Amino acid sequence: GQQLNQSPQSMFIQEGEDVSMNCTSSSIFNTWLWYKQDPGEGPVLLIALYKAGELTSNGRLTAQFGITRKDSFLNISASIPSDVGIYFCAGQGAGNNRKLIWGLGTSLAVNP
Amino acid sequence: EAGVAQSPRYKIIEKRQSVAFWCNPISGHATLYWYQQILGQGPKLLIQFQNNGVVDDSQLPKDRFSAERLKGVDSTLKIQPAKLEDSAVYLCASSSARGGGYRGEFFGPGTRLTVL
Repeated sequence: GQQLNQSPQSMFIQEGEDVSMNCTSSSIFNTWLWYKQDPGEGPVLLIALYKAGELTSNGRLTAQFGITRKDSFLNISASIPSDVGIYFCAGQGAGNNRKLIWGLGTSLAVNP
Repeated sequence: EAGVAQSPRYKIIEKRQSVAFWCNPISGHATLYWYQQILGQGPKLLIQFQNNGVVDDSQLPKDRFSAERLKGVDSTLKIQPAKLEDSAVYLCASSSARGGGYRGEFFGPGTRLTVL
């Protein structure tokens, strides 16, 4: 099925560094969601974005809804060991097509 | 507010056996989803309920998978008979009504199914 292009696929960084990941799509979305998934757990919603250009923060996390409505990025500032996990983006289309389309995830490893 | 509850957390069965998973969504959430997540991939929607009606089951393998949400609250997903390729994590999620009230989908911890 349709998927988002999420990059990078994986990252290995030092504690304290900033992280950036993004998702792009060929389709326009009305909503972008960013999730984090720890091993053995379900995805946890980090940030939800509802309109083009919107910039939203949640603690050290900042995400933006691209102005073209076809992309979004997530930044993590001053990473800490508990940021380790897999980050997923998901987009929701317009009209009758409201099913979430998911990226393949960005695996983040943080070296203390 | 309690989150989405799922049980069991783990299940190991042999191929051709049957298995059932249970989900209780966040109170007041009308929409309930079942996802399948294979290792290394994002979640794949199997079925979506709005109250007790099916909104989308286009990716549900209906020859072996079934799901119900009889009273519009909790839900069960069944696989009968299971195949090796059904080994995955089965995630349940819920959300408030799409459109103006939509604020994202909230997931349970999942059930990890291993088919031997």
